[in-house]
Amino acid sequence: GAVVSQHPSRVICKSGTSVKIECRSLDFQATTMFWYRQFPKQSLMLMATSNEGSKATYEQGVEKDKFLINHASLTLSTLTVTSAHPEDSSFYICSARDQGPGPSSGNTIYFGEGSWLTVV
Amino acid sequence: GENVEQHPSTLSVQEGDSAVIKCTYSDSASNYFPWYKQELGKGPQLIIDIRSNVGEKKDQRIAVTLNKTAKHFSLHITETQPEDSAVYFCAASKGGKLIFGQGTELSVKP
Repeated sequence: GAVVSQHPSRVICKSGTSVKIECRSLDFQATTMFWYRQFPKQSLMLMATSNEGSKATYEQGVEKDKFLINHASLTLSTLTVTSAHPEDSSFYICSARDQGPGPSSGNTIYFGEGSWLTVV
Repeated sequence: GENVEQHPSTLSVQEGDSAVIKCTYSDSASNYFPWYKQELGKGPQLIIDIRSNVGEKKDQRIAVTLNKTAKHFSLHITETQPEDSAVYFCAASKGGKLIFGQGTELSVKP
């Protein structure tokens, strides 16, 4: 199946600093990627939809100035957590939509392996 | 907006038995229903999906059924094995935006 790569898999940062997480689609082009946050033993919460070449669309309650999203190419989206605080510690997961040519691949969503962020 | 409910939250079965997880959704415009398996500390892995123009799909020990009228879909795992133990999430999508159910923690006992 299609592969989505996320980096770094684990990161520890100090309070007040910023940290960037990358999401890459390795074998398909993704005009749309999605960023999720997941707390232990809970479901995935959609944070924002990342659109190549345009601004991200944020879900209600998600601070766009705190979670900066950039989707500069068809294979890369980045999430930057700015001025991180301990409450931002979480598992962040990206996904990418495979809009391949056939009807079976359109809208199939593949996830990255996730990034554990710990803010100390 | 879309709301997805998933049951049960935990499911324990004996190896070899079948496991069934059920989800309901609220937005009749949703047209894509994937199921994901998530192991501890990892990202969700797509295991099977179904689109709104299909009622049932099977892939070896895994099958998914969709009832558009009732707005519910189910995951069926037959001949369960200990390695099937994980958290399973259903999701509903319109235009690629996935809304997830709450998850089911499946435990398969040897």
